[in-house]
Amino acid sequence: DVKVTQSSRYLVKRTGEKVFLECVQDMDHENMFWYRQDPGLGLRLIYFSYDVKMKEKGDIPEGYSVSREKKERFSLILESASTNQTSMYLCASSLLRGQTGELFFGEGSRLTVL
Amino acid sequence: DAKTTQPTSMDCAEGRAANLPCNHSTISGNEYVYWYRQIHSQGPQYIIHGLKNNETNEMASLIITEDRKSSTLILPHATLRDTAVYYCIVRVGGSNYKLTFGKGTLLTVNP
Repeated sequence: DVKVTQSSRYLVKRTGEKVFLECVQDMDHENMFWYRQDPGLGLRLIYFSYDVKMKEKGDIPEGYSVSREKKERFSLILESASTNQTSMYLCASSLLRGQTGELFFGEGSRLTVL
Repeated sequence: DAKTTQPTSMDCAEGRAANLPCNHSTISGNEYVYWYRQIHSQGPQYIIHGLKNNETNEMASLIITEDRKSSTLILPHATLRDTAVYYCIVRVGGSNYKLTFGKGTLLTVNP
C-alpha cells in the first residue's frame, strides 16, 4: 500500500517562529502536494511539485515556501508563522502519469500558532 | 478546471443506497470527474473516477449523464462508516495536474 507520512500529527508554535512540515512517500511518486484545510473552506492547494527541485504555486501560496530535494520528500515551510496559519495541513502524492490520477493523502498535521 | 456544485449535506438510512449528485455544467471534453471522501480526522481517500462512461468498483458506482454536465456517486448499501464529506472534482487528464477540492457534501448515514 502507498504510504504518505507526515512528520507531526500535532504542532504548537509561536507567532514569528519558522515551521517545517515534512512529508515522505514510499511509492516513488513524481507529484507531491500540500493542501490546507479550514472549516467551511474545504481543501485549498498551497504548492505542488512534479519533480525534484521543481515547484509550482497553488491557489494560496502566500506566506509559505516548499522544498523538494529528494523525490520522496516534500517540505512545507512557514518562514514566520502567523495566527492565520493555524490550520490542518495535508500532504498528498501521485504518479506523474498514473492511470487513475489518484492522490494518496497523509493523515494530516494540525498546526496551532499562538 | 471546471467548477462543481454539490449539496452541502445529505442524510441516508443505513443499508439503503446513497446517491450523491454533482453538477459540472462547464466541463470540457477532456476533463475527468473524480470523487474523493474524507472521514473525520483523516486525509481524503480516492473513490472512483470517469470520463464519460459509467464506472463501478468495489466502493461505489459513478453515473455520468450523456451530456456530461452532471454525475451521481452511488454507494449501494451505505453503512455508518460511510459517514464522511464527499468531494466531486473535475480535472483535465494528463501528466502534470493538480486537483482543486471544493467544499463537498457531508453525508450522514443514520442507523
